[in-house]
Amino acid sequence: EAQVTQNPRYLITVTGKKLTVTCSQNMNHEYMSWYRQDPGLGLRQIYYSMNVEVTDKGDVPEGYKVSRKEKRNFPLILESPSPNQTSLYFCASRTGGDEKLFFGSGTQLSVL
Amino acid sequence: EDQVTQSPEALRLQEGESSSLNCSYTVSGLRGLFWYRQDPGKGPEFLFTLYSAGEEKEKERLKATLTKKESFLHITAPKPEDSATYLCAVQAYNTGNQFYFGTGTSLTVIP
Repeated sequence: EAQVTQNPRYLITVTGKKLTVTCSQNMNHEYMSWYRQDPGLGLRQIYYSMNVEVTDKGDVPEGYKVSRKEKRNFPLILESPSPNQTSLYFCASRTGGDEKLFFGSGTQLSVL
Repeated sequence: EDQVTQSPEALRLQEGESSSLNCSYTVSGLRGLFWYRQDPGKGPEFLFTLYSAGEEKEKERLKATLTKKESFLHITAPKPEDSATYLCAVQAYNTGNQFYFGTGTSLTVIP
């Protein structure tokens, strides 16, 4: 089954404790991206990647890091999480020839 | 600045009561406008892509239309299973790898 898999589904952590949210897709998509979804603000893009070793900032990249060492994986790294990063996070992917995005099921992050 | 505004924020319909959701946008050079459906606890699911004014797409009870300033998602004779949040997103030529999403319309269809 074609899918984007995120882990974990839920995460509660404390300020300053480094964490990684994993994202993997099995559709051989070139493009992958991360979004955060907050009430009243909608989905906002954090980072995106056009292919392996190619990443770029979205609209809200501060406090986040990404890497794209393999085509299928695109982890989101919070090196020193803060409470304002409490949010619902989505990973998405698409093939280069199609603008349709496939989303993961989301990661609900709470930073205390 | 590229912007997407959706209205209404929330909509309650009786089963069978048709209505429309609105997505207005300001973007320099529209490359594509997208509609997604999001169910509680899930990621958005793709519905339609529209590329040029006058274009229409249909899927079951849903029909999306596009003008130069806005898009409508028409829901004909909705059923309770159509209850979800509907998201609109735009992609511009000058920022082709970024998608700008609206805040969505939460639709509830009452049996």
